[in-house]
Amino acid sequence: GAVVSQHPSRVICKSGTSVKIECRSLDFQATTMFWYRQFPKQSLMLMATSNEGSKATYEQGVEKDKFLINHASLTLSTLTVTSAHPEDSSFYICSARGAGDGYGYTFGSGTRLTVV
Amino acid sequence: AQSVTQPDIHITVSEGASLELRCNYSYGATPYLFWYVQSPGQGLQLLLKYFSGDTLVQGIKGFEAEFKRSQSSFNLRKPSVHWSDAAEYFCAVGILTGGGNKLTFGTGTQLKVEL
Repeated sequence: GAVVSQHPSRVICKSGTSVKIECRSLDFQATTMFWYRQFPKQSLMLMATSNEGSKATYEQGVEKDKFLINHASLTLSTLTVTSAHPEDSSFYICSARGAGDGYGYTFGSGTRLTVV
Repeated sequence: AQSVTQPDIHITVSEGASLELRCNYSYGATPYLFWYVQSPGQGLQLLLKYFSGDTLVQGIKGFEAEFKRSQSSFNLRKPSVHWSDAAEYFCAVGILTGGGNKLTFGTGTQLKVEL
């Protein structure tokens, strides 16, 4: 079946630094990738949708200059949290979908970001 | 706007007992409905989905869900719960937007299984 690999699984960074999270589709071409944020004991909130080779579409309220999304290839998307602050600490999850998959989403295992 | 409601934040059942997790949705068109399971610190695994056709959908791990349009519900059921089913369960509705289709999730139900 379709597999999405997300790295790192955990990262701790200092306030003011930037952190990059990678999301790779291992056995299919991901034409669309989604990035979610999940606060403790809460649901997943969609941050942005990216199509390969295009600029990401951000949800209302998400700062695009803070959460940089790159989807330069059909197997890799990255989320960079720039100038991270403690309030950015959260669980980030990516999801990928191939061309013609309709609603065939495959989720990564998530990244726990802690900003100290 | 579309929304998904999972009324139960926590549910505790005994191993071997039956389970029903509730999900109600609000969406103007015919919904695409999903149930996902999340173990602690992990991503989401698809249990089952409903697009059209038979309103009773079978999924993995012995789960099933029934779509009831009149009640705007898509409740998840399992006849006999196993201790390994303890996890967080999310109901989601797929919607079509100008930017393509995407998922809106409910707030989740935490399932605890007592041995």
